[in-house]
Amino acid sequence: AQKITQTQPGMFVQEKEAVTLDCTYDTSDPSYGLFWYKQPSSGEMIFLIYQGSYDQQNATEGRYSLNFQKARKSANLVISASQLGDSAMYFCAMLTGGGNKLTFGTGTQLKVEL
Amino acid sequence: GAGVSQSPRYKVAKRGQDVALRCDPISGHVSLFWYQQALGQGPEFLTYFQNEAQLDKSGLPSDRFFAERPEGSVSTLKIQRTQQEDSAVYLCASSSEVAWEGNEQFFGPGTRLTVL
Repeated sequence: AQKITQTQPGMFVQEKEAVTLDCTYDTSDPSYGLFWYKQPSSGEMIFLIYQGSYDQQNATEGRYSLNFQKARKSANLVISASQLGDSAMYFCAMLTGGGNKLTFGTGTQLKVEL
Repeated sequence: GAGVSQSPRYKVAKRGQDVALRCDPISGHVSLFWYQQALGQGPEFLTYFQNEAQLDKSGLPSDRFFAERPEGSVSTLKIQRTQQEDSAVYLCASSSEVAWEGNEQFFGPGTRLTVL
């Protein structure tokens, strides 16, 4: 069975600072993909970044980067230069071989303060 | 460009009523997924379609839940005899390819169902 663990129910960060949101995962499948989604109060899930299990380098997308440590089974999201608009719920998720169902964590509520 | 759309955005039902939730995926997307998101939780998988074929319905919580995608585009999630525990946001997602572990899913805004 696949499992995603997000241990930070809530995080605060000051504007323009960097923040790391933690995610650990568990799967016995050798091939998997890790995703981060942002869910603002409007409710839609917005894709942020993807990391494949065989990717040698950490993924980056603008201000988002994924700190992938395969041996530790962690896939932390780093947001640099936080903005007020980054305040939202953030979900880590995983697809395994066959890839038909995303397994989500419980999310981290991020609040960016002035 | 048009993303995934869902209707209605909000639905209030009395316990015991039947409801139908609609999803319009991105045009041409092969794969379609339904998820249920309870308050304060992450989404949980319900079912998956590849074109019109329902290949995985392992997440449907009971036989009161039924989903279809008869022409391989629009999908409907139907809940019969709604119960209070069915109250949740129902999210639809689509992707351009047959499902694999790197396939990004694009989500709609969800339908918030409240059962009184």
